Amino acid sequence: DTEVTQTPKHLVMGMTNKKSLKCEQHMGHRAMYWYKQKAKKPPELMFVYSYEKLSINESVPSRFSPECPNSSLLNLHLHALQPEDSALYLCASSQDARGGATGEQYFGPGTRLTVT
Amino acid sequence: AQSVTQLGSHVSVSEGALVLLRCNYSSSVPPYLFWYVQYPNQGLQLLLKYTSAATLVKGINGFEAEFKKSETSFHLTKPSAHMSDAAEYFCAVSEASGGYNKLIFGAGTRLAVHP
Repeated sequence: DTEVTQTPKHLVMGMTNKKSLKCEQHMGHRAMYWYKQKAKKPPELMFVYSYEKLSINESVPSRFSPECPNSSLLNLHLHALQPEDSALYLCASSQDARGGATGEQYFGPGTRLTVT
Repeated sequence: AQSVTQLGSHVSVSEGALVLLRCNYSSSVPPYLFWYVQYPNQGLQLLLKYTSAATLVKGINGFEAEFKKSETSFHLTKPSAHMSDAAEYFCAVSEASGGYNKLIFGAGTRLAVHP
């Protein structure tokens, strides 16, 4: 099973709202990623968790707050977003890069976020 | 630093024609290379990967890619395009670091297939 699930599929929120995006995988992967993707562009890396610890924060504004409660779950908490934050948010997971893993990431279907 | 260049942001072919999507990489070490496909409003799906086991890699949906070290290329081909192949295609190189891998993506190529 190479499935990564994300909820919700669509989300519309106002600039004063607080909401969360959820991601789950059951492949035993210990690295999980959040990406932001604008139309006609490749995904932009936001955060990387490795063994439930935050390894990379690509200078993401604090209105985005990631959380990794356990090895299968990844959340992205959203607060006071701006209209320019509207995008497709993708979650991905991969095996540990050490021990011969070849580095492919498995992506979820994404959450289409609209900030009004 | 590693980088990926995809030549041609848009490629248009007729149904049944050869598909050729170009990807060149820059890497100081033997790379792991990938092609992903993205259909509208969906996530990225892995088409195929190069991991140094064989230079000609076969993937899903009839796609294949050939790794050419001398040309630093990893072009994606399909002998006969189908309407369902219309999508965005991303080439990527993996950059390992500890327990995770960063993917460095190309800008993407949108493939249109005409009847």
